[in-house]
Amino acid sequence: GQNIDQPTEMTATEGAIVQINCTYQTSGFNGLFWYQQHAGEAPTFLSYNVLDGLEEKGRFSSFLSRSKGYSYLLLKELQMKDSASYLCAVKLFFGTGTRLTVIP
Amino acid sequence: DTEVTQTPKHLVMGMTNKKSLKCEQHMGHRAMYWYKQKAKKPPELMFVYSYEKLSINESVPSRFSPECPNSSLLNLHLHALQPEDSALYLCASSQDSLTGGDSTDTQYFGPGTRLTVL
Repeated sequence: GQNIDQPTEMTATEGAIVQINCTYQTSGFNGLFWYQQHAGEAPTFLSYNVLDGLEEKGRFSSFLSRSKGYSYLLLKELQMKDSASYLCAVKLFFGTGTRLTVIP
Repeated sequence: DTEVTQTPKHLVMGMTNKKSLKCEQHMGHRAMYWYKQKAKKPPELMFVYSYEKLSINESVPSRFSPECPNSSLLNLHLHALQPEDSALYLCASSQDSLTGGDSTDTQYFGPGTRLTVL
């Protein structure tokens, strides 16, 4: 079975940093994806981690610890357009999703 | 071209109707997927096609019938749906399909079809 958990909602201030956590217990693991989904739109790819450690890509970074079944997505210098749902995914199955609201 | 297209954008159907959703990609991807997404919920995997063959069916009711006519096209045939089937139906594709669902490749999603069943 697949059990992938995220906080349901988060709020952060424009210009700040926010960390969105994802814990997983899955039958098998071959990497973890992070997607962004704006309301009414399709998910778009943000990052992929298969080895432990931090992957940095501009304002977004993603971290993975396979031994702990844990990942996080770090968003820096938040902008209003970052208000969206953030989904982690393992083996084609998505986590519960985190709705991030960025406030002025 | 990194686009996945889906038609129609919106569909309203009665419980006795038969309709089809269509998905197309021209990225040369060999894996294609159908997901169902209810409001404020994550996408739920329905079907996976790998090299035009059905490799995963996540216990989806038979009123949903997928079809992959060729490597670029994916259809979802709908018949005798229920109001609770109303949702956003997302199609996706990815490069690697040799492991038929164990793909480590990024999925590219289409914009979805918003389905309402009356």
